[in-house]
Amino acid sequence: KAGVTQTPRYLIKTRGQQVTLSCSPISGHRSVSWYQQTPGQGLQFLFEYFSETQRNKGNFPGRFSGRQFSNSRSEMNVSTLELGDSALYLCASSSGQLDEQYFGPGTRLTVT
Amino acid sequence: GQQVMQIPQYQHVQEGEDFTTYCNSSTTLSNIQWYKQRPGGHPVFLIQLVKSGEVKKQKRLTFQFGEAKKNSSLHITATQTTDVGTYFCAGPKSHSGAGSYQLTFGKGTKLSVIP
Repeated sequence: KAGVTQTPRYLIKTRGQQVTLSCSPISGHRSVSWYQQTPGQGLQFLFEYFSETQRNKGNFPGRFSGRQFSNSRSEMNVSTLELGDSALYLCASSSGQLDEQYFGPGTRLTVT
Repeated sequence: GQQVMQIPQYQHVQEGEDFTTYCNSSTTLSNIQWYKQRPGGHPVFLIQLVKSGEVKKQKRLTFQFGEAKKNSSLHITATQTTDVGTYFCAGPKSHSGAGSYQLTFGKGTKLSVIP
């Protein structure tokens, strides 16, 4: 089985721009979660999608949004980028809400 | 808010020494999961514990879930350089009610092994 894939792997943006990150889950997995990882805050939950519906949302501002398509692929969008948004964004898929998470390699976003 | 606390934050050990990381929750967890992230890599699932007092072993790794299902530990016997990385615990936390859960991660313990 192919693992979770994320594109792009690296991204450099300037403040005020917006960015869209993509995640393709493991085949058959309908749950996709997004996490932000920074050295200071660790792994923080952004949101979870299941069957194209946002099932859970973490404590992030509305500039962070996401969606899931009928094939379970997911995208997340960050608008009006701030320097503090620089982080590794990880996507994880699972077969159920409380099941083990399979993480992708992440997208390293740098905001200058 | 609901948190999962993990200690220590860092641990440096000589190769061959043992290592333990601890995870504590303020509320009862239905299960706890452990992940390992190698430097430059992404978290990889190690194990899930579900039952009160459960102990599971994977070669040199021993995982425990407390009787009250509020704490857990990961113990590595005779560390090797391949054990280097950050170890995370994670538990499902309900934030919006109605049976909706999200996986909340501890901040991890970064293990360095000196050869």
